[in-house]
This record gives sequence, C-alpha cells and structure tokens, in this order.
Amino acid sequence: GAGVSQTPSNKVTEKGKYVELRCDPISGHTALYWYRQSLGQGPEFLIYFQGTGAADDSGLPNDRFFAVRPEGSVSTLKIQRTERGDSAMYLCASSFSGSHPYNEQFFGPGTRLTVL
Amino acid sequence: AQSVTQLDSQVPVFEEAPVELRCNYSSSVSVYLFWYVQYPNQGLQLLLKYLSGSTLVKGINGFEAEFNKSQTSFHLRKPSVHISDTAEYFCAVVSSGGSYIPTFGRGTSLIVHP
Repeated sequence: GAGVSQTPSNKVTEKGKYVELRCDPISGHTALYWYRQSLGQGPEFLIYFQGTGAADDSGLPNDRFFAVRPEGSVSTLKIQRTERGDSAMYLCASSFSGSHPYNEQFFGPGTRLTVL
Repeated sequence: AQSVTQLDSQVPVFEEAPVELRCNYSSSVSVYLFWYVQYPNQGLQLLLKYLSGSTLVKGINGFEAEFNKSQTSFHLRKPSVHISDTAEYFCAVVSSGGSYIPTFGRGTSLIVHP
C-alpha cells in the first residue's frame, strides 16, 4: 500500500479481555515501531523491530504486552488481561532501514483502544 | 536520559499572523531533533528535522525551526499561518548512540482563528 495501515481503527473491549492490534508497514520497510499515545500526551515508545526480531522492547510497560513480526512485514501488538489504563491510541510507524534518524519514520493513523 | 518540554499546551492565533511553538530538550549527549504535525484522526507527519549542519532548518508547509545548543531549544516558527495549520504539533528528541528511539513532548495544539 501507499502508507502504513492499522486495523482496526477503533477497538472497544471489556476489562480483562485479550486484544490484538495489527500494523501493515510500507512495503520494503525493514524497521517497525509501536507507540502508545494517551489523551493529551505525546507518543511513548513501546517496541522496535528490525526485520523479524525485536531490537528494542524496553518500552513495553509489563508482561501483558507482547508484539510479533513473524515474517518481517506485518506486526501484531497483543495485550492480555486488558485494564482501563490501557485505553489509548496505539500508533505504528515504519522506516526503510534501521532506526537511525536519517531514516524517516512514517506513521499509520493509529488504533484507538477503549477498555470499559 | 533524554526529555522534551513543550512549554505551551495550546497556542491560539489569528490567520496570517506569525506563530512560534516552543520546544526545549534535555540530553547528556548530542541530539537529533524533530517536529511532527498530527491532524485530527491521522497519524503523525514529519514537518522538519535537525540532524547536523545548518542550525536553521526549513520544512514543509512553510515551517522552519532553529536549533540552539546553548539554550537547548528547537522552536518552530511560521511567518503567516493558515486555517489549515490548525493541528497538534509534537517536538521529539533522539540522542546519539543506542537504538535511536525518539522521546516526544506532550504536544502543542495550534488553533488558527479566522
């Protein structure tokens, strides 16, 4: 596709449920990032993939959060036992190669997660 | 550790007036600096970035920013704003070395009135 796409655009779930958020990066981009943006805040880094492997997962808040990128393209962010505090916009970005600032990150429109 | 402070949460301005959105950063090493714009229900879009060289950086949509190392600032400016510039603006810093992960500020909401 022309840009980064994320599905679903909105997700409403109940406390304690499991959710999966999907990101399709720009074709050919090897680096993929997940961020969480709470209301009134800037994006906060969660995890960065280079190819299939997580190069940096230092931003994942706890072990309820997990992300995969099995074939080096599409990525899924998985949240177990959701809590109301997980409600936020989840943003995905991709860049052509590596995380160096010379490689621009292109952002998707985000998935708004609401935990009731 | 790196951090970013955007001093104004909201900046109202009239159309065709100049605007400055302030950004200050903190880092113990050299930095790369960015400004992003986010329109309602859209992802972030890069406006401009400072990587090296000239401290005055020009970006898209007529925006520019100046890197001031002594004041640890990277303020965003536009000489004449349009209604369509109404959006959320985020400053971000990346410290050299490591995995180059950006830290974003809380954002400044630019509201352009007719």
